[in-house]
Amino acid sequence: SQTIHQWPATLVQPVGSPLSLECTVEGTSNPNLYWYRQAAGRGLQLLFYSVGIGQISSEVPQNLSASRPQDRQFILSSKKLLLSDSGFYLCAWAGVNNEQFFGPGTRLTVL
Amino acid sequence: KQEVTQIPAALSVPEGENLVLNCSFTDSAIYNLQWFRQDPGKGLTSLLLIQSSQREQTSGRLNASLDKSSGRSTLYIAASQPGDSATYLCAVTSSGGSNYKLTFGKGTLLTVNP
Repeated sequence: SQTIHQWPATLVQPVGSPLSLECTVEGTSNPNLYWYRQAAGRGLQLLFYSVGIGQISSEVPQNLSASRPQDRQFILSSKKLLLSDSGFYLCAWAGVNNEQFFGPGTRLTVL
Repeated sequence: KQEVTQIPAALSVPEGENLVLNCSFTDSAIYNLQWFRQDPGKGLTSLLLIQSSQREQTSGRLNASLDKSSGRSTLYIAASQPGDSATYLCAVTSSGGSNYKLTFGKGTLLTVNP
């Protein structure tokens, strides 16, 4: 069966510090992968998606970036965090018929 | 641009009641529609997926319907239980060039009281 992991589970970082969030998927190959952010009082916002290694599409201009160095690994990064980057970050993979399955999420607080 | 709206934003019901959650979307050219459940501080759990060619899907006490032409979906929960308390999210995958991306509503916060 397929499983999706995210780490860390929680993170508190100062403004201006770098960020690296990791997502890995097991039990499937060449999945479409997604990064979403859920901010307080707002809906889920798609940040990036990837249809294959090295292929990244960005949905929202911001100071975040994403990379897919391996088939089942998706990384979200920033060189300098802003207060507005705080939120709940969710990774997802898509199965048959684009049914999406989500990881447990990372709670990021930027102080 | 696809927009998804969920009504009501919050709902509180006594245990055992049947209830309906509503979802509407502005562009009827969808590939599928998915209902999720989110518990506080947790990720999303997929409940039901309805393909654009389908009218409904059922899983246990849950039934989701889709009327693509009118841009509406409903999630029916039968005999609600306190364990059903959570936020329920509706999301659509648009067809065509944006085939891979989900657009989410803001959710309905359901509280089932014992």
